[in-house]
Amino acid sequence: GAVVSQHPSRVICKSGTSVKIECRSLDFQATTMFWYRQFPKKSLMLMATSNEGSKATYEQGVEKDKFLINHASLTLSTLTVTSAHPEDSSFYICSAYRPTGQGGDEQFFGPGTRLTVL
Amino acid sequence: QKEVEQNSGPLSVPEGAIASLNCTYSDRGSQSFFWYRQYSGKSPELIMFIYSNGDKEDGRFTAQLNKASQYVSLLIRDSQPSDSATYLCAVRYYKLSFGAGTTVTVRA
Repeated sequence: GAVVSQHPSRVICKSGTSVKIECRSLDFQATTMFWYRQFPKKSLMLMATSNEGSKATYEQGVEKDKFLINHASLTLSTLTVTSAHPEDSSFYICSAYRPTGQGGDEQFFGPGTRLTVL
Repeated sequence: QKEVEQNSGPLSVPEGAIASLNCTYSDRGSQSFFWYRQYSGKSPELIMFIYSNGDKEDGRFTAQLNKASQYVSLLIRDSQPSDSATYLCAVRYYKLSFGAGTTVTVRA
């Protein structure tokens, strides 16, 4: 399968600081990437859809000014958690969308970033 | 009503047995269906995707889709301890929606 990387894999920060998470598709160009958040023992919740060269589309209830998404190239999307607070502590996972040759598509997930806000 | 619902689990099966996972979805226009496996602390890993009604087999895994019943399932044959994980059903309508997951434990 395709390879999607995330950096950093783990980050611990103080309340009020901003944290940037990078998501890269390593072996294909991804016009669309997705950002998810997963709380312990819960399923993935889509936060936003990131399209290269345009503004991200946020899901209902996700604060655009708090979770800044930039998709500046076909292989890189970034999520910045601004003024992070303890309730933002979660597992953040990106995925990249790639059409298959069978008329469908697949989403490949990055390894995730564990954010802990003290 | 949740968009994607899975049998709650947890599901415990002996090694070598068949694990059966079920999933129903609400959007009748959904076209793509996926099963992901997620180990604790890790991100989801795609196991199978299915687009057409019927069965699709890949090794020890078989996905079954019935669009009329809005139902998709995953069978794991000859279950191994390494199959112990949470299995997520995902359905794409305009976006990919995930079920809550079913945790499977394979007893050695």
